[in-house]
Amino acid sequence: AQKITQTQPGMFVQEKEAVTLDCTYDTSDPSYGLFWYKQPSSGEMIFLIYQGSYDQQNATEGRYSLNFQKARKSANLVISASQLGDSAMYFCAMREGYTGNQFYFGTGTSLTVIP
Amino acid sequence: KAGVTQTPRYLIKTRGQQVTLSCSPISGHRSVSWYQQTPGQGLQFLFEYFSETQRNKGNFPGRFSGRQFSNSRSEMNVSTLELGDSALYLCASSVEGAYNEQFFGPGTRLTVL
Repeated sequence: AQKITQTQPGMFVQEKEAVTLDCTYDTSDPSYGLFWYKQPSSGEMIFLIYQGSYDQQNATEGRYSLNFQKARKSANLVISASQLGDSAMYFCAMREGYTGNQFYFGTGTSLTVIP
Repeated sequence: KAGVTQTPRYLIKTRGQQVTLSCSPISGHRSVSWYQQTPGQGLQFLFEYFSETQRNKGNFPGRFSGRQFSNSRSEMNVSTLELGDSALYLCASSVEGAYNEQFFGPGTRLTVL
């Protein structure tokens, strides 16, 4: 089974609107971290936000928030007040266990912000 | 603190040649991972090194190899290049632990002719 699933290959959002990018994960390990990365057309992967499996509250970083629903195994990224510079590929990732485990990445969602 | 650096940034090779890519992690990061990214296959995990030992390995042929030095710098090597090896190769470093993010370098864009 896929460890990380992103079901939206492409998304469009109007500038200044909010958008939600979906991510579901699969793990039996009680300890894990969930991450979102942004990859602009330049190619560099930029870390956006992180959620730990034991965190009680949803993570927020500026305009980014992570909607963490543990029972549903989902970790959706919410971008508020979209800007043109938000147009990029977005990857969800997970790392299991405390030590020694690799990162698993989803297939990504291409977000286009329309002026 | 300096970020992850990768050299070279761009590389053009011909089929059958071999290539070596270099990655310098963030100071203090002992875990270094390599990924291949192509338009068709997305981001594919190659391998991870930790304290000079390969700890995790993706599903790639033996033509892809790597190593890590005592200063945590890492190299990956691709022998007998094929056209399909054309890709962006990303290196990422992190500290140990599930709750620590990976930091990525700018990547090496390899073109095989």
